Parts: sequence; structure tokens; C-alpha cells
Amino acid sequence: AQSVSQHNHHVILSEAASLELGCNYSYGGTVNLFWYVQYPGQHLQLLLKYFSGDPLVKGIKGFEAEFIKSKFSFNLRKPSVQWSDTAEYFCAVNPRPNSGYALNFGKGTSLLVTP
Amino acid sequence: GAGVSQSPRYKVAKRGQDVALRCDPISGHVSLFWYQQALGQGPEFLTYFQNEAQLDKSGLPSDRFFAERPEGSVSTLKIQRTQQEDSAVYLCASSPHRGGQPQHFGDGTRLSIL
Repeated sequence: AQSVSQHNHHVILSEAASLELGCNYSYGGTVNLFWYVQYPGQHLQLLLKYFSGDPLVKGIKGFEAEFIKSKFSFNLRKPSVQWSDTAEYFCAVNPRPNSGYALNFGKGTSLLVTP
Repeated sequence: GAGVSQSPRYKVAKRGQDVALRCDPISGHVSLFWYQQALGQGPEFLTYFQNEAQLDKSGLPSDRFFAERPEGSVSTLKIQRTQQEDSAVYLCASSPHRGGQPQHFGDGTRLSIL
């Protein structure tokens, strides 16, 4: 079945450590890619998105992601995490951007940043 | 500004009861989505509206699930004869674009079926 895979379900980092969260998808053709974040007690918020163009996408709060088409990957990175980055992170794919608008989400990665 | 508003925030129902969940999208948003999020999982698509038209209901798990958006604004997700496996957080999202992206999410309704 076609899917979105997030490799790490739980990640624990110390402040100032670098972060990389993996995301792979199995859809062919043109896709739209997203990373959403859910801070404790809050709703899902868009971190960044990729539709086309430069495969290195910069988002809010110092996050970036790189689309590698040959690897069907869209990994999220941040050079130096802060305690306030503690949250649940979801990768999402729209596999049919020209004809369907639903997002397919990964299972999420829970990030805990310790002081 | 005001975001997507969902009510109630929490709903407890006995198995077999009918429930109705409400979503107020951001004013003027054309696209509206419903997702179901089980514990420890990512959201799963249920249905999509463009204005009042339900263009995609392929994610509705059974005919017990019904959604409407009669005036192209507020939407209601109804679940009839609830079952324990319906327990989940139900998320609503809206977008100003016909293409539906990006989506702005509400806080969700946490539904517990006893």
C-alpha cells in the first residue's frame, strides 16, 4: 500500500543538538510535501511545504527540509534545537495535487528536547 | 485572527448513540477537510468539501459516517450508531484555496465511545 513513513517515533535530544527527522513516501509522480508540528496542547501548524522548485525548503523557526526525488524522501532538519521545539512532528504528502487534495500523514515523531 | 473552531472539544458517548461534531472554518475559506486521528497515529483523511460540494468522501470508513456543509461554511460530521473503534480525535482543516493547500487545522474533538 502507498504510504508515508517516518522512521523515528521518539527522539530525545539535548538543547543545541542537531536534528534530522526522516520521511519517506511511496507515491509516484508529482507530489506536494509538508511538515506539520503539534506543540503540547495546541493544534497542528504548518512548518514548511514543498510544491516545486528549489528542493531545499526553509520554514519557520529555523527548520528546513530537503526533497530528494530519487530517494522519495523529505527529511526535516534543524541545526540547533531548543527546549521549545519539544513537540510532535508529522510529515504529510498530497499524492495527487492536480486532482485530489487530501493529505496522507506519517505516524509522527515525538521530539523531546532536554535542557 | 480567528482560526478553525471545533466543538465540542471533548465528547463521551455510549456505544450505539449518534454524535455530531461541528467545525467552523476560517471565514472565507473555500476548502474544508475532516480527518480522524487515532491514538499514536497520524491523521487519516475522511472527506473534503469545496464550498458546499462534497468532492471526496473516499476516506469515510463506513456508511455510519456522514458529513455536510450545506451553506459552504460550517460543517458537521455525524457518526451514527457509534462503536468503540470510532474513539479518536476528529480534526477539521480549512484552506482559502480550491487546491486545498496549505491546510489550517482546528484543535480537534476528542471522541470517546464507552
